[in-house]
Amino acid sequence: KQEVTQIPAALSVPEGENLVLNCSFTDSAIYNLQWFRQDPGKGLTSLLLIQSSQREQTSGRLNASLDKSSGRSTLYIAASQPGDSATYLCAESSGGYNKLIFGAGTRLAVHP
Amino acid sequence: DTAVSQTPKYLVTQMGNDKSIKCEQNLGHDTMYWYKQDSKKFLKIMFSYNNKELIINETVPNRFSPKSPDKAHLNLHINSLELGDSAVYFCASSPGTGKGSPLHFGNGTRLTVT
Repeated sequence: KQEVTQIPAALSVPEGENLVLNCSFTDSAIYNLQWFRQDPGKGLTSLLLIQSSQREQTSGRLNASLDKSSGRSTLYIAASQPGDSATYLCAESSGGYNKLIFGAGTRLAVHP
Repeated sequence: DTAVSQTPKYLVTQMGNDKSIKCEQNLGHDTMYWYKQDSKKFLKIMFSYNNKELIINETVPNRFSPKSPDKAHLNLHINSLELGDSAVYFCASSPGTGKGSPLHFGNGTRLTVT
C-alpha cells in the first residue's frame, strides 16, 4: 500500500530561520514527487516537482530534494517569512495517469 | 483569469439530498480530477477524466457520479448524501496524464451534511 508521511505535523518558527520539512514515501518506484502549498480556504499551489531521475529542484528560496533509495524528500525553505505561513503537502506519483498520493501536510507558522 | 473554478464554494445540505458541484478550467488542459479532503486533511483522489473519458475511478460509493460534458468541465453529482460525505472537494486539471504533468487546483467546495 502506498503511503506518504510528513514530519513534523506542525512547525512554528521566528522569521528569518531556515527550515526543513520532511516527507517519506513507501513506493520506491515513483515517477515524481511534488510539493504543494495550501492556504486556508484556498486550493493547492504547486511549488516544486521532482522527476524520479532528478535529485533536487529549486525555486527562489525553496529547494526540494529527492532520495528514492531511502524513500525521502525534503523541502528546504531559506530565510522564512510570515508570508510562508501555510500548510505544505507532498505527494508522490507512482501509478499511471498522474495519480497522486498525498501526505497529511506540515502546518507552518512563521511569526515576526 | 486563467484558472480552475468550482461552484459553489460552500454547500450546506441535509442527509438524503442530492447535490452537484461544478468545475470548469480554462487552461486548455486535457485531464481533470476530483479529490476529497477529509477532516484529517488527507487529500485522496476520487476520479479522473482525460478528454471526457473516465480513467481513474477509486473506491468511491456509487452515490458519487462524475460527468464530463467536455474536456473543460468535470461535474460531481452526489446522491443520497450522508454525514460522512462532509469534506472539502477539490477539482484539479493537468495538461495530460503523463508523469510529471503538474496539477492545478481549484479553491475547493466545502460540503457540510447535517
